[in-house]
Amino acid sequence: DIQMTQSPSSLSASVGDRVTITCRASQSISSYLNWYQQKPGKAPKVLIYAASSLQSGVPSRFSGSGSGTDFTLTISSLQPEDFATYYCQQTYSTPYTFGQGTKLEI
Amino acid sequence: EVQLVESGGGLVQPGGSLRLSCAASGFTFSSYWMSWVRQAPGKGLEWVANIKQDGSEKYYVDSVKGRFTISRDNAKNSLYLQMNSLRAEDTAVYYCARDRSEPAALSYFYYYMDVWGKGTTVTVSS
Repeated sequence: DIQMTQSPSSLSASVGDRVTITCRASQSISSYLNWYQQKPGKAPKVLIYAASSLQSGVPSRFSGSGSGTDFTLTISSLQPEDFATYYCQQTYSTPYTFGQGTKLEI
Repeated sequence: EVQLVESGGGLVQPGGSLRLSCAASGFTFSSYWMSWVRQAPGKGLEWVANIKQDGSEKYYVDSVKGRFTISRDNAKNSLYLQMNSLRAEDTAVYYCARDRSEPAALSYFYYYMDVWGKGTTVTVSS
């Protein structure tokens, strides 16, 4: 199975900050990498698919980059509604593994 | 409105069985792969299984192989997860999700979960 490792596990930031979350795969996954946002008590929501494609309706302050084993999710200017937990997920091969999550806090 | 609604969760004793259902509406259910994803209390997301549009291919995470069975009924726009020999570590919120695909290179596709239900809670405890 492909292991996904996110860093950091938690992050404190302020409104307006630029934030970067990284995700590393245990083997090359090309661009088969997705990013999700989850708020407490809610289902996850996809932000980025195929490493860098912005899902329809997602604000442009979210962006993704990377290929192979190393990926990043960047939020260019944090908004109050962005405080949540973020997960990466590989869909290169089953089982479609998730990273352990990054909790973004004020 | 595109929607997924899970049901069937509850409290079950270790070793018991439970069948989860997911009712889909607002889209052509038979055109999509579908997945189950779970989240244990206070923990991260774990992909559990998925199934091809016609049910001919199914994949599972190792921890549920031989115990869980994913299935679908396209005539009823429904996805199912039959869970047998349940263990305490199966306690989680179970989400069903639609697997959206976008073309990649050659005949490959990028898959991502673009529609999620609100989840149903399964508790395995004596």
